[in-house]
Amino acid sequence: AQKITQTQPGMFVQEKEAVTLDCTYDTSDPSYGLFWYKQPSSGEMIFLIYQGSYDQQNATEGRYSLNFQKARKSANLVISASQLGDSAMYFCAMRINAGGTSYGKLTFGQGTILTVHP
Amino acid sequence: DSGVTQTPKHLITATGQRVTLRCSPRSGDLSVYWYQQSLDQGLQFLIQYYNGEERAKGNILERFSAQQFPDLHSELNLSSLELGDSALYFCASSRAGGKGEQYFGPGTRLTVT
Repeated sequence: AQKITQTQPGMFVQEKEAVTLDCTYDTSDPSYGLFWYKQPSSGEMIFLIYQGSYDQQNATEGRYSLNFQKARKSANLVISASQLGDSAMYFCAMRINAGGTSYGKLTFGQGTILTVHP
Repeated sequence: DSGVTQTPKHLITATGQRVTLRCSPRSGDLSVYWYQQSLDQGLQFLIQYYNGEERAKGNILERFSAQQFPDLHSELNLSSLELGDSALYFCASSRAGGKGEQYFGPGTRLTVT
């Protein structure tokens, strides 16, 4: 069974600084996708970034980048130039691409609460 | 705005009652997923539908059931409610192909008293 571990219950960062949120995963399937979602205090889940297990390059989306280290089974999220609006809960998630499909359940980690200080 | 809609936004009901949560996926998305978020269990996958058919089941209680209709909207039915069913229930949708990222609705916050 797949598992996602986020070991940082809470992180603090100064505005305009970069921050790394850790995520490790465990699966024996060779084809999978890794996702990061943001959940602000309002409660909605916002998709941030995706990394496929066969992708050669680390994914980037604006100020978000994913530091994918396949051998170490880690998929850390890097947020550059933090803003006050980045304060939220961040979830790492994994989807197994069963049968070559790109749809399937997400398995989530426990989340990391990020607080950005002015 | 993710394009996924959920109603109602909040629901307060008593133990033993039955409720129905409704979800409309993004236009063009055939897959619908239901997730439950609670403080003790975190985010848990409940069930997935693809184009009207049940595709996968997770930690869904027998008291819970779901369906996806021909117009692709989905409903999650929760019956014989218990205090422990109080949670935030999310619907998400995705399309086949590409990254297959799931877009979440705003959620329905269920409080069982």
